[in-house]
Amino acid sequence: AAGVIQSPRHLIKEKRETATLKCYPIPRHDTVYWYQQGPGQDPQFLISFYEKMQSDKGSIPDRFSAQQFSDYHSELNMSSLELGDSALYFCASSLDRGSYNEQFFGPGTRLTVL
Amino acid sequence: GDSVTQMEGPVTLSEEAFLTINCTYTATGYPSLFWYVQYPGEGLQLLLKATKADDKGSNKGFEATYRKETTSFHLEKGSVQVSDSAVYFCALSDRGITGGGNKLTFGTGTQLKVEL
Repeated sequence: AAGVIQSPRHLIKEKRETATLKCYPIPRHDTVYWYQQGPGQDPQFLISFYEKMQSDKGSIPDRFSAQQFSDYHSELNMSSLELGDSALYFCASSLDRGSYNEQFFGPGTRLTVL
Repeated sequence: GDSVTQMEGPVTLSEEAFLTINCTYTATGYPSLFWYVQYPGEGLQLLLKATKADDKGSNKGFEATYRKETTSFHLEKGSVQVSDSAVYFCALSDRGITGGGNKLTFGTGTQLKVEL
């Protein structure tokens, strides 16, 4: 079965550079969630999109932005990178059924900021 | 806001030992509860879930029961294997929110090490 695809899997950037992370949800899933997991930390919710519109926002820095495109893939754009942005970034997708929507996680993008 | 508290690790057990990882939650409504597992270098995999009080989620020998009266969702397994070594996350999401509002709130994770 098709799973959530994230690219790239690994990314190394310098401080103050920009990065773009991509997420391709499971086909026919209409909702995408982004999470950030720092070293030894629990995943923290950043932002979500439903039907290409932002649906919820968590602890996402102003330096970050995201969107969901017409084909439902999503991109997380990160600017002015800081050392503290080094983390594993997960994307998850779900099909909104209203009562309970299981989230399926991608393998993550490991971002290292030097 | 919503929060999840789970026991700190690492938890080290011998193979075939009994496992309990405690998880309690705070939520304004009646959330859905989950256990996710993360193997080294990999993403998060849903292990089991329960969507209402007294539901028991089970998978691969793991079980957890949604206890509303104690706001708990403890993970148990009767006989662990070396291959169960991983980090386990308890999580919750609000129920009944349409339009992409079901973000997950995670606990801090518990590392399990199973030795021969």
